[in-house]
Formats: sequence, C-alpha cells, structure tokens
Amino acid sequence: DAGVIQSPRHEVTEMGQEVTLRCKPISGHNSLFWYRQTMMRGLELLIYFNNNVPIDDSGMPEDRFSAKMPNASFSTLKIQPSEPRDSAVYFCASTWGQNNSPLHFGNGTRLTVT
Amino acid sequence: GQQLNQSPQSMFIQEGEDVSMNCTSSSIFNTWLWYKQDPGEGPVLLIALYKAGELTSNGRLTAQFGITRKDSFLNISASIPSDVGIYFCAGQGAQKLVFGQGTRLTINP
Repeated sequence: DAGVIQSPRHEVTEMGQEVTLRCKPISGHNSLFWYRQTMMRGLELLIYFNNNVPIDDSGMPEDRFSAKMPNASFSTLKIQPSEPRDSAVYFCASTWGQNNSPLHFGNGTRLTVT
Repeated sequence: GQQLNQSPQSMFIQEGEDVSMNCTSSSIFNTWLWYKQDPGEGPVLLIALYKAGELTSNGRLTAQFGITRKDSFLNISASIPSDVGIYFCAGQGAQKLVFGQGTRLTINP
C-alpha cells in the first residue's frame, strides 16, 4: 500500500537555480497539501489543492514559489529563483475530502540552497 | 490567525516512564490530531479525535479532545526506546489545519 511519494529526497542547489519538487498523492485522495518545515517556524502550509484546483495559496511566501497539479496523481512545487532562506524540508500530504480528514504525509524533500 | 501552544517543547525521561503533553488554543477546533515524526521522515498520524470530550486509545497512547474544544492532551504509558521522536498536535477548525510547534521526546535507556 504505497503512501505519498515525494522526490527527490534531497536536493542541493546554488542560489538562483530553479528547483522542482514532486509529489504523488495516495491513490483515491482528492486533496493535496504542500508544507514547509523549519526549526524556526515549524510546519507551515504553503498551498493546498482540492480535485486538482488550488484552493488556498496564501501560505506561498513569494512569487518565486509556484505549485501545479496537472492531474489527480501528480503535483509539483517550483522555486525560481531559489535563495538560501528557502532551505527547509518540504512535505507533501494528501487526504480524502477537504475538512476533518487526517493528512497522510510523504517523507519530504530536504532542500539546501547554497 | 489560529495558533496552537504545545508543551512541553522537549522531554527527557527514563525508559518505562509515562509521558504527557498537551496543546491549547484560543480558538475552537472541530478535530484534534496527534502526529509523530521520526528523523528523516514525514509526520505519521497516531490518533484522531472528532468530538469534544472524546477519549481515544491506540495501544500505549491515549489522547483526549478537551470539552471546551480548545485543548487536547496525549499520554504515552510505559515509554520504550522507539517512542523517541517529535510529537505534533494539530487542530482543524473552519480554516486550514494548524500544527503545534512539537514536543521532542528523548528517552534514556
């Protein structure tokens, strides 16, 4: 029973480069969430989709961040251009429904921007 | 916006001891969730609570949804080494799911 799958697990890049993080939600789930985790700020919601449509992107820090969900089984989070302060662990999570349904998290992508 | 206060931030205990942690909020939540995160992995759901006053157990774990809907606690009985990790509470209200800052549990054998 596959869970939420994220790739890559680790990404090291130089400032100014484009970074693309990928997520495959659990089959049958129709809501997908992107979170960022840092020591200082904990888990922060960046954006979430319901039925492939972005519902709330108020957590996206800047225009440098963008997310897409072209179909029910794939989503990307892109940072262009990347900056050192973007270094964090980025988690994707999915669930069935929009409210009150527990999230199932992937194992995250650890991003380091030098 | 909605915020959760989770305490304690860290705990250092002996193997076999019981553990208690809690979350409080100034906002009312409809759902309380407790997650555990191991190093290098994503948070994993431990217990979900959907009703004020609800008390739910999952093995050695017990969690309660506060009657005021503004708080929840998680207890772990007879701790074992694999209980080490970071525990997060999360509250779901009318808006998005909000996470606490986490309780880091360290166990001395």
